[in-house]
Parts: sequence; C-alpha cells; structure tokens
Amino acid sequence: ETGVTQSPTHLIKTRGQQVTLRCSSQSGHNTVSWYQQALGQGPQFIFQYYREEENGRGNFPPRFSGLQFPNYSSELNVNALELDDSALYLCASSLLGGKAYEQYFGPGTRLTVT
Amino acid sequence: DAKTTQPNSMESNEEEPVHLPCNHSTISGTDYIHWYRQLPSQGPEYVIHGLTSNVNNRMASLAIAEDRKSSTLILHRATLRDAAVYYCILLGASGTYKYIFGTGTRLKVLA
Repeated sequence: ETGVTQSPTHLIKTRGQQVTLRCSSQSGHNTVSWYQQALGQGPQFIFQYYREEENGRGNFPPRFSGLQFPNYSSELNVNALELDDSALYLCASSLLGGKAYEQYFGPGTRLTVT
Repeated sequence: DAKTTQPNSMESNEEEPVHLPCNHSTISGTDYIHWYRQLPSQGPEYVIHGLTSNVNNRMASLAIAEDRKSSTLILHRATLRDAAVYYCILLGASGTYKYIFGTGTRLKVLA
C-alpha cells in the first residue's frame, strides 16, 4: 500500500510569484485535504476535495486554490505569494464513508517566500 | 467548530506511562475525539479515536470522561520514539471532515 507523497520537498519563491504543490493520495482514497502549518503552530485547514469537487474551505483567501484529479492526486495553487505564506504545506488523504475518517498525512512541502 | 485545550508541554521518563489530557467542554453529541501525533520533520500520524467508550489499540489507549468533556491519551510505556507533538481533535460526523488542530502538547521523553 503506497502512502501519501508530496512534491517538491522544499521550495523557495519570491513575493508576488505563484506556486503549485502536488500530492499523491493513498491508494483507494477519494478525499484530499490541504493544511498550512506555520512554525510552532498546529496545521490549519485550507480546503478539502471529494471526488474532484471542493467539499469545504477554511479561512483562506481565494488566491489559495486547488484541484483534485480523477486518479485522486491533487494540487494546491497559491497566487500572489506573500511572506506570511511561508510554511509547511501538508496534504492528507482519506476515504470518505470509510473507516472512521482517519486521515493519512504526507511529509509536507516546506515553502519559503522571500 | 468545537475547540480543545491541551497543556503546552509534558515530560516523561522512558518506560513509564504517560497521560496526556485534553479538555473539550463544548463537544457535541456526534463529535468524535481523534488523537494525532507529529514527530519532528514529519506530517501528523493517526494515533487513536473514540466516541463514548474507552478505546485501545497497539499504540495507545483513549479514556473518555463520562460527560465527554475531557479525554486522556495514555501511552503505556513511553519510549524515546514517542517524543512528538500530540494533538487532540474533535471531528464532526457531517459535512466537511476537517480537522481543527490546536497547538497540541509537546511530549519530551527522558532517557
């Protein structure tokens, strides 16, 4: 069983640029959630996708957007990067309707905005 | 979204039991109690979850108060590998299954 993978591992961008982060869900999972984790804080929910449709969103501006593909891989796009966007970005996959809503997290992408 | 309150940090000696408390006084009747932990430089990993009854698995035990306003994660014999940030999370049974993380409890295990 393949776990959740994310790419790239690290990324450095300049303020105002755009970035795309990628996530490959665990096999058989139909839901992916994205979280932002600032240094020393707990992860903050950005949004969730279920069967390619957004299924809920946290308190993040529209410049944070996402996609989920038929093979359940996913992308997080952030436009007009700001310094405060520097964080660890985590994706988590789960099987909605399956076993007790367990989410399986990837190792994260560390984004630094300069 | 119901919130949880945990101590910022705790210490334990290796091979001793650890009791990690969590308060969730605004929990609703359908909220599940989930525990995750985050080892250094890794994403969070599932530990255990429960609704009303106490639960055991190979990693830990979860003790839930009768009024469900608090719970305790029990590590029966702490090892150095258990040093992590432990998060107590409430998860509603409808809509978006999103986790609301707090700042968690940083567990330090002393050799």
